[in-house]
Amino acid sequence: QVQLVQSGSELKKPGASVKVSCKASGYTFTSYAMNWVRQAPGQGLEWMGWINTNTGNPTYAQGFTGRFVFSLDTSVSTAYLQISSLKAEDTAVYYCARDVLAVVPGDAFDIWGQGTMVTVSS
Amino acid sequence: AIRMTQSPSSLSASTGDRVTITCRASQGISSYLAWYQQKPGKAPKLLIYAASTLQSGVPSRFSGSGSGTDFTLTISCLQSEDFATYYCQQYYSYPRTFGQGTRLEIK
Repeated sequence: QVQLVQSGSELKKPGASVKVSCKASGYTFTSYAMNWVRQAPGQGLEWMGWINTNTGNPTYAQGFTGRFVFSLDTSVSTAYLQISSLKAEDTAVYYCARDVLAVVPGDAFDIWGQGTMVTVSS
Repeated sequence: AIRMTQSPSSLSASTGDRVTITCRASQGISSYLAWYQQKPGKAPKLLIYAASTLQSGVPSRFSGSGSGTDFTLTISCLQSEDFATYYCQQYYSYPRTFGQGTRLEIK
């Protein structure tokens, strides 16, 4: 079935880096964009940006430039989110979510990963 | 960025009730609006897209309406499994933006 499976929870120290994976299955990976969404503890959903799975071109929302990097390995239908120089305020659940690529202006996020909890603590 | 404002922020209701959640966009977004349901510890689930189209597998007690700047999500007869947090999201322009959420609690 169509699904996105994310890597497991991470506990990191401030200043470290983390790489979260999101493996797609059950559909053509390059037909759908991959979005990343953050949810801090007890808070709402915040869109971080997206990556075009055809071109590899990432787009970052304001507040997610510099330390955040989206990447792909299309050979294994996997998207990645890397966060460097981690801070305590990066503690959150990070979700990947797909939407259709070739639709303008876009589409809803119909399939979500299960989420990856990243905890930053000394 | 388009700001999405939901009301109320929280809502208490009983099983069998009819409830309505509203979402207002700071500028017109045509019908490029989605509603998601999120339960504690789980990923959001798409309920409605294009403002009023029910996602496959979603019970018909859920319905959506609106266009432009004002939208509503209605649950016609609350079931126990409907107590959750609901978010609206616009996908008319970038950055994609979500409402702050409406927490639906058991009265």
